[in-house]
Amino acid sequence: DAGITQSPRHKVTETGTPVTLRCHQTENHRYMYWYRQDPGHGLRLIHYSYGVKDTDKGEVSDGYSVSRSKTEDFLLTLESATSSQTSVYFCAISDFWRRYHLGYTFGSGTRLTVV
Amino acid sequence: AQKITQTQPGMFVQEKEAVTLDCTYDTSDPSYGLFWYKQPSSGEMIFLIYQGSYDQQNATEGRYSLNFQKARKSANLVISASQLGDSAMYFCAMRGIQFYFGTGTSLTVIP
Repeated sequence: DAGITQSPRHKVTETGTPVTLRCHQTENHRYMYWYRQDPGHGLRLIHYSYGVKDTDKGEVSDGYSVSRSKTEDFLLTLESATSSQTSVYFCAISDFWRRYHLGYTFGSGTRLTVV
Repeated sequence: AQKITQTQPGMFVQEKEAVTLDCTYDTSDPSYGLFWYKQPSSGEMIFLIYQGSYDQQNATEGRYSLNFQKARKSANLVISASQLGDSAMYFCAMRGIQFYFGTGTSLTVIP
C-alpha cells in the first residue's frame, strides 16, 4: 500500500561515477524531500521540491543535484560520487497543510555505498 | 535557526516498564509541530505521535504519550509498558517548511 517507492534499494558504485536515485509517489503530494541518514547525525535534508521544477537546497546539498519534471518523480543525482556520500538516503513526501499533523511519509530508503 | 536536540544516544529499559526519551527544541516560530518517529532495525521510518505548538493537551497514541513543556521547549516521548518490539531508534523532529531531526536515541528493551 506504499504510496512512495525508492529505487534502487541498494547500490554499490565507484568513486567518481554519477549516480541517480529515484523517488516515485502516487499520492499527488506537492512536497518531496531527499534526506541522508548517517550515524550520529540523524536525518539531514539534501534538497526538497515544492512543485514541478521548483526545488531548493537543504543543509547538505553540496555534491548533489535534483530534478522534478513530474509531480510523481523526484530524482537525486550525485554527479561524481565520493566516499563521503556513502549513506542511507530517504525520500519523503508531504501534503503539508492538509495533513500537517501526519508529518512525512517516508520511502524505504536506499543504501548507497561508494567504494 | 531551528534545532532539535536528543541527548541520549542509547537507553535501556526492562520489559513492561515505562521509559522517557528526551527531546528539546529551539525555534523562534510561534507555530510549529513536533513529531516522533520510530526506526526499527529493518530501516523504515514509522510515525508515532504529533504535538502542535498550540495544542493544550499532551498528545497520546496508545502506549505513546508526548510530554510537551512549551516553556522549557521540551517534547519528551513516554513509552508505557515497554515491549520487546519497541527496541529501535527513535527520532524527534520539528516541522516548519521542512523537518529538522534530532540525532536519535537507540532504545533497547531487555526481557
